[in-house]
Amino acid sequence: NAGVTQTPKFQVLKTGQSMTLQCAQDMNHEYMSWYRQDPGMGLRLIHYSVGAGITDQGEVPNGYNVSRSTTEDFPLRLLSAAPSQTSVYFCASRRTGYNYGYTFGSGTRLTVV
Amino acid sequence: QQQVKQSPQSLIVQKGGISIINCAYENTAFDYFPWYQQFPGKGPALLIAIRPDVSEKKEGRFTISFNKSAKQFSLHIMDSQPGDSATYFCAAPGGYQKVTFGIGTKLQVIP
Repeated sequence: NAGVTQTPKFQVLKTGQSMTLQCAQDMNHEYMSWYRQDPGMGLRLIHYSVGAGITDQGEVPNGYNVSRSTTEDFPLRLLSAAPSQTSVYFCASRRTGYNYGYTFGSGTRLTVV
Repeated sequence: QQQVKQSPQSLIVQKGGISIINCAYENTAFDYFPWYQQFPGKGPALLIAIRPDVSEKKEGRFTISFNKSAKQFSLHIMDSQPGDSATYFCAAPGGYQKVTFGIGTKLQVIP
C-alpha cells in the first residue's frame, strides 16, 4: 500500500497566486485532514472530512478551501497565497472513531514570496 | 478547543539514558492518547498509543504512563539511542472528530 500520498513535495508561489495541494490515500479511511506545521506552533488543523461530501473547518481555516468528492482524495486549495501561508502542510487519514491513529503523508513544503 | 500542553520543547539525553516527555490535557470524553515520532523531512508516524483503562503501556523501549486524575500522560524512552533523535508529538481528542497535537519535543540523543 502507498498509504497517504501528497504532491507536490516542494512549491514556491508568489503572493496572490492560487494552487492546489493534492492528497490521496488508498487505505479506505473515512477521515482525512490537513495540518500545517510551523516552528514553535506544532501541528494545527486546517480542515477535515469525515467522509465523501462532508467537510468542516479546523483551527486555522482562513485562506484555504477543501472538497471531498471521493473517499480517496482530499485536495487543499489556497485561494490567494500570502506569505503567512509559508509552512509545511501535512495530509493525514485514519479510520473514523477516536481509537485510531493517523497515517500522515510526507508533506508539502510551501514558500510564498 | 482542547489545549494540550507538552514539555519540554527540547531535550538532550546521553545514549543509554531515559528520555521523558510529558503532556497535559484539559478535558476529553474520549479515551485515546497517542504519541507520534517525526524525523526531519518526514511526516509524523504513530509510535504508541494508550487507552486510559490501563495506566501504562509498553512497546519495546517505549512506554506511555497515564494519570487520568491528573489529566497527564508521558512518554518514556528507555536506553535512548541516537536513532531515537526526532521530534515527538502527543495528541488528544479535541472535539468531535478532531485531534489536538502538542507543540512537539525535539529529542537529541548524544553518543
